[in-house]
Amino acid sequence: AQSVTQPDARVTVSEGASLQLRCKYSYSGTPYLFWYVQYQRQGLQLLLKYYSGDPVVQGVNGFEAEFSKSDSSFHLRKASVHWSDSAVYFCAASIPTGGYKVVFGSGTRLLVSP
Amino acid sequence: GPKVLQIPSHQIIDMGQMVTLNCDPVSNHLYFYWYKQILGQQMEFLVNFYNGKVMEKSKLFKDQFSVERPDGSYFTLKIQPTALEDSAVYFCASSLTDRASDYTFGSGTRLLVI
Repeated sequence: AQSVTQPDARVTVSEGASLQLRCKYSYSGTPYLFWYVQYQRQGLQLLLKYYSGDPVVQGVNGFEAEFSKSDSSFHLRKASVHWSDSAVYFCAASIPTGGYKVVFGSGTRLLVSP
Repeated sequence: GPKVLQIPSHQIIDMGQMVTLNCDPVSNHLYFYWYKQILGQQMEFLVNFYNGKVMEKSKLFKDQFSVERPDGSYFTLKIQPTALEDSAVYFCASSLTDRASDYTFGSGTRLLVI
């Protein structure tokens, strides 16, 4: 069955440091992949998405993610984090032939310390 | 950008009572979804709705749950009767197409069943 795994429940980084949030998916083909961010008491906002083509996709606010078919991964990166990046980040997947639902990972809570 | 509004933002209800969660989707969207997020856990798909019908539902969508969107008004999730394990944040989403990247999420209704 399709699943998404985010192995790190919490990540703490210092402001200005680089960031990587890990995501692995389980699916025999190549799903559509997404990263969402959830700020406190708000809905999810789409950061970036991958459908096909260039494995490195750019998103909002300096975020990017890299798709790796061999590793079944879609890790999120940012070169230099800001305190306002503190939030919960969800990796998600949707299989191309069934676009009616999205499977989410368990989320990674990012805390950016001053 | 366009928003999905969820009313109320918080609801406390006695176990066994009925509750209706309301979602005001983006006006031209055609697909509607409910997701459930228990505190500290991932968002899980409950149900999607298109053209006046439930298209798919998960095993979390118990018999006590129902959805409707009468006359293009609110998209509602009704739970009758409620149980303690229904306590969670319920997120509504809508989309113009069935592509996950088109989803617009609401900020959630925090339901507490006591």
